[in-house]
Amino acid sequence: AQSVSQHNHHVILSEAASLELGCNYSYGGTVNLFWYVQYPGQHLQLLLKYFSGDPLVKGIKGFEAEFIKSKFSFNLRKPSVQWSDTAEYFCAVNARTGGFKTIFGAGTRLFVKA
Amino acid sequence: DVKVTQSSRYLVKRTGEKVFLECVQDMDHENMFWYRQDPGLGLRLIYFSYDVKMKEKGDIPEGYSVSREKKERFSLILESASTNQTSMYLCASSPRTGVGNTIYFGEGSWLTVV
Repeated sequence: AQSVSQHNHHVILSEAASLELGCNYSYGGTVNLFWYVQYPGQHLQLLLKYFSGDPLVKGIKGFEAEFIKSKFSFNLRKPSVQWSDTAEYFCAVNARTGGFKTIFGAGTRLFVKA
Repeated sequence: DVKVTQSSRYLVKRTGEKVFLECVQDMDHENMFWYRQDPGLGLRLIYFSYDVKMKEKGDIPEGYSVSREKKERFSLILESASTNQTSMYLCASSPRTGVGNTIYFGEGSWLTVV
């Protein structure tokens, strides 16, 4: 069965620090990969997604993620975080032979100190 | 913009009550989903539907049922609410065109069962 692991449940950074959030999945076939973000008091929204092609994908607000197939990883990065990046981040996987099910990780709460 | 609307944002219900959570989407999406979100557990899929009157169990369907009589509306039903169903419930939708399309979320319904 598919599963998604996010390594850090809570991350605290100062503004301008670099961010990397880990995400590993378990599924041997072709996958679609997503990062969603939930800002305080708001609904979940898509940050970026990978379907095919260039394994380095860029999303909104300066975020990017790299798909490394050999490591089953899809880590999220941002070179310099801002206070407004304080949110909960979810990695998600949809397997192309898995029907419509999208499996989410447990989430990582990021707090950025001003 | 896609809009997924959950009619109730905050509910408090008593143990044993029947609870209805309603969700409407305005983008003619074929797929609709109900997740619950709990701290440290991420999003877990309860049920999903890929067409009117069609439904599939997700990972945690026990204690829940769903109804999809119209394409735009997907209801989650707790037949007899229990305290362990206190949670945030998220409705979502996505188009069918290709597996793994972006999922659009509603703002969530906070349910407390006392």
